[in-house]
Amino acid sequence: NAGVTQTPKFRVLKTGQSMTLLCAQDMNHEYMYWYRQDPGMGLRLIHYSVGEGTTAKGEVPDGYNVSRLNKREFSLRLESAAPSQTSVYFCASSYSGGGADTQYFGPGTRLTVL
Amino acid sequence: GQNIDQPTEMTATEGAIVQINCTYQTSGFNGLFWYQQHAGEAPTFLSYNVLDGLEEKGRFSSFLSRSKGYSYLLLKELQMKDSASYLCAASDSNYQLIWGAGTKLIIKP
Repeated sequence: NAGVTQTPKFRVLKTGQSMTLLCAQDMNHEYMYWYRQDPGMGLRLIHYSVGEGTTAKGEVPDGYNVSRLNKREFSLRLESAAPSQTSVYFCASSYSGGGADTQYFGPGTRLTVL
Repeated sequence: GQNIDQPTEMTATEGAIVQINCTYQTSGFNGLFWYQQHAGEAPTFLSYNVLDGLEEKGRFSSFLSRSKGYSYLLLKELQMKDSASYLCAASDSNYQLIWGAGTKLIIKP
């Protein structure tokens, strides 16, 4: 089992460019999450999904769109990147709600917006 | 508001014991998680406490006091590979996780 995979691992964008981050899990989990991690701050939830076809806003959703493509895949799209979106992005999944169940994280995408 | 506090950085010696504290304030409470994160890597699950008391898993133990809004992670017989950040996260009334900024643990020989 690969667990949770993310693509790409690294990316540099110019302000205003767009990109999509892809996440896939092979653990048959219902719940999937997108977080960002910035120095000196805790993980912050961007959006999450409680099952196929569903999405919900987290703590910091502005500037991001998500799509739960199927049970395995959850994408995060930046339509017009800004320097404030420079961060490390982690995808995670869990069998049941993340506040009552272990979350499994992907390796992260390191994004720099110039 | 909801808040998690944990020390920014701690230093300990190989073979010793270290305790990493975490205090939390959340709207409701449904448990507390500890995750380990090595530099440049993803967080990985260490422990989950929902009832008061100590949970032991090998060299790692985690303690919870719900009345005090307090938890700690105890690492025994420290090894160099334990150098990492340790993230505390509390589950609120909506089962959303509130994450601390993490404690960077430096192990010296």
